[in-house]
Amino acid sequence: QKEVEQNSGPLSVPEGAIASLNCTYSDRGSQSFFWYRQYSGKSPELIMSIYSNGDKEDGRFTAQLNKASQYVSLLIRDSQPSDSATYLCAASNGGFQKLVFGTGTRLLVSP
Amino acid sequence: DGGITQSPKYLFRKEGQNVTLSCEQNLNHDAMYWYRQDPGQGLRLIYYSQIVNDFQKGDIAEGYSVSREKKESFPLTVTSAQKNPTAFYLCASSIHPSDNYGYTFGSGTRLTVV
Repeated sequence: QKEVEQNSGPLSVPEGAIASLNCTYSDRGSQSFFWYRQYSGKSPELIMSIYSNGDKEDGRFTAQLNKASQYVSLLIRDSQPSDSATYLCAASNGGFQKLVFGTGTRLLVSP
Repeated sequence: DGGITQSPKYLFRKEGQNVTLSCEQNLNHDAMYWYRQDPGQGLRLIYYSQIVNDFQKGDIAEGYSVSREKKESFPLTVTSAQKNPTAFYLCASSIHPSDNYGYTFGSGTRLTVV
């Protein structure tokens, strides 16, 4: 069973701090990784994708990938209350892109 | 604007009734997917389709049926055989089954059994 694991949280951080969200995956054949943000009652929204080992930065977001450790993370700098949401990690093994999703980590950013 | 439209936003089903959830996209995406989301369980794949007139079962297909007669449309029918249908249903699409750009999701349909 191919799995993507996330801590359900909630992860609580004060406004302005760095939020660190983590994800591990079991399928060593996974090649593409995605972070989605989901506000309560809404659908997931793609915020980051990463395909190579290392860091990828986009504004306040940085995705990190370590394929040897089968580990993906998302850093959110200068966290804002509007970042409070559930963050879903997803992995794909290429070929036919059928994403496997984690159960999500709930982030709470307090003013 | 391109996107995925799901309707209705809220749907109530009586016991023993079949209901159909609509999913339409104007993104010219080849692949489409249906997921179910329950609290604390993440997204579970129901059905997916790579091309018109072809679809495959996902992890939890029992009690559901789909069709893909047009590239733009991928409706999901929740049959009376689905014993616990209350959930948030999400439709998604991707440019091509083998691309690496992730999914685009619709706004979802919340189904409740009454």
